[in-house]
Amino acid sequence: DSGVTQTPKHLITATGQRVTLRCSPRSGDLSVYWYQQSLDQGLQFLIQYYNGEERAKGNILERFSAQQFPDLHSELNLSSLELGDSALYFCASSTLSGGKDTQYFGPGTRLTVL
Amino acid sequence: GDSVTQMEGPVTLSEEAFLTINCTYTATGYPSLFWYVQYPGEGLQLLLKATKADDKGSNKGFEATYRKETTSFHLEKGSVQVSDSAVYFCALTIRNTPLVFGKGTRLSVIA
Repeated sequence: DSGVTQTPKHLITATGQRVTLRCSPRSGDLSVYWYQQSLDQGLQFLIQYYNGEERAKGNILERFSAQQFPDLHSELNLSSLELGDSALYFCASSTLSGGKDTQYFGPGTRLTVL
Repeated sequence: GDSVTQMEGPVTLSEEAFLTINCTYTATGYPSLFWYVQYPGEGLQLLLKATKADDKGSNKGFEATYRKETTSFHLEKGSVQVSDSAVYFCALTIRNTPLVFGKGTRLSVIA
């Protein structure tokens, strides 16, 4: 158990819908990262927050957004969903803002868009 | 940009065989290197890491040595078990960047 929690574990929805994925980092960790794992693209970084502020952006679509709240939990919002958005979404946390610090991963949310 | 290349899978081995999964990287600076493992139906777990040249990371019988001269971080285990069946990801981070992952190597160990 990494100490990072993600909810829900599974999510099934229809095209055009909007969903919210939630992540709680390890106690004491200030950085939260979101990654997408799909069969064709592999593991891709989406976005990072550090202590409530956006720190880095990766291959995140404009239809996707995220935020980190004062209690340091983070939410990833996916809207106007398409079939291709079906993937595993992982959250990771670390103590510091990137660098050599280790990132610990949550169990993931499996999103299926029908 | 920074990138990680790891050997294509799947790799199928008999129990107690020797395992090597190759990983090489390209980085503009001086990265930290990681191996993560993903067991079926689970998330990513950190297996081992190394933060500077010639460091050896080790855990659960797995080892990898940071080789700056060959830009490599190959994963090895002397005697694999059925329970080691999983997907293994090599990854790097440099300065304040998020992790860059290889495509993953699926390992199947048969009894």
